[in-house]
Amino acid sequence: EPEVTQTPSHQVTQMGQEVILRCVPISNHLYFYWYRQILGQKVEFLVSFYNNEISEKSEIFDDQFSVERPDGSNFTLKIRSTKLEDSAMYFCASSPKGVASPYNEQFFGPGTRLTVL
Amino acid sequence: AQKVTQAQTEISVVEKEDVTLDCVYETRDTTYYLFWYKQPPSGELVFLIRRNSFDEQNEISGRYSWNFQKSTSSFNFTITASQVVDSAVYFCALGPFGNEKLTFGTGTRLTIIP
Repeated sequence: EPEVTQTPSHQVTQMGQEVILRCVPISNHLYFYWYRQILGQKVEFLVSFYNNEISEKSEIFDDQFSVERPDGSNFTLKIRSTKLEDSAMYFCASSPKGVASPYNEQFFGPGTRLTVL
Repeated sequence: AQKVTQAQTEISVVEKEDVTLDCVYETRDTTYYLFWYKQPPSGELVFLIRRNSFDEQNEISGRYSWNFQKSTSSFNFTITASQVVDSAVYFCALGPFGNEKLTFGTGTRLTIIP
C-alpha cells in the first residue's frame, strides 16, 4: 500500500543552524502539507502546498520556514535558523483530493523528530 | 474559527471493556469534514475515518464505531471489546470543505490494561 515517507526519522541540530526535512508524498497525490507536534501537545497545521505554491499557511509558518517541491517526488520543509522552540515532531501529509477523491483525506508520514540544542 | 475539543485527556480501561472517546467541534461552516486519527507509541498518525457534515449516518468498522450528531456538534468514537493494541493517543480533527487546513483536538491518551 502506498505511503508517505519522511527522512530523517530524527534530526539533532544546534540552535541557529538550517535544517531541511524531507518527505516523499504518495505518488498520485496533488496536495501536500506540513504539520508539527510539540511533545505531548496537539498536532498543528503549518502549511499546505498545491500546484507548486503555498495555498495556505498558519501564523507559525513565518519567514524562517519555507517549502519546496524540488522534483516530481520530494517535498521539503526548510527552517533557516532553528530556535529551541522549533523542537517538535514534524509530519508531512498528502491528499488525493482532486485526483482519486474530492475529499481532503490527509495521509501522514511517520514524522521527523527535530531536536534543537 | 475552527475548534475541536477532546475533554478526556486520559482514559484507562481493562481489556475487553468498551470505551468511548468524545469529540466536540465548533465551526461556522455548513459543509466540513471530521476525522479520527490514531497515534500509537511509535509516533505516526494513522487515518481511521472521515465523515462529511452532510452524512449523519453512523459508521461501524469491526470493533470501531463512530457516532456523528450534528445537533450537538459531536463526533464520538467507540471501541468495543478493547484490546491492548488499541493503546494510543487518538485525535479528532476538523477540516472545512474546500480548505486545506486540519484543526486537531488535543488528543485522548487511551490505555488498555491487560
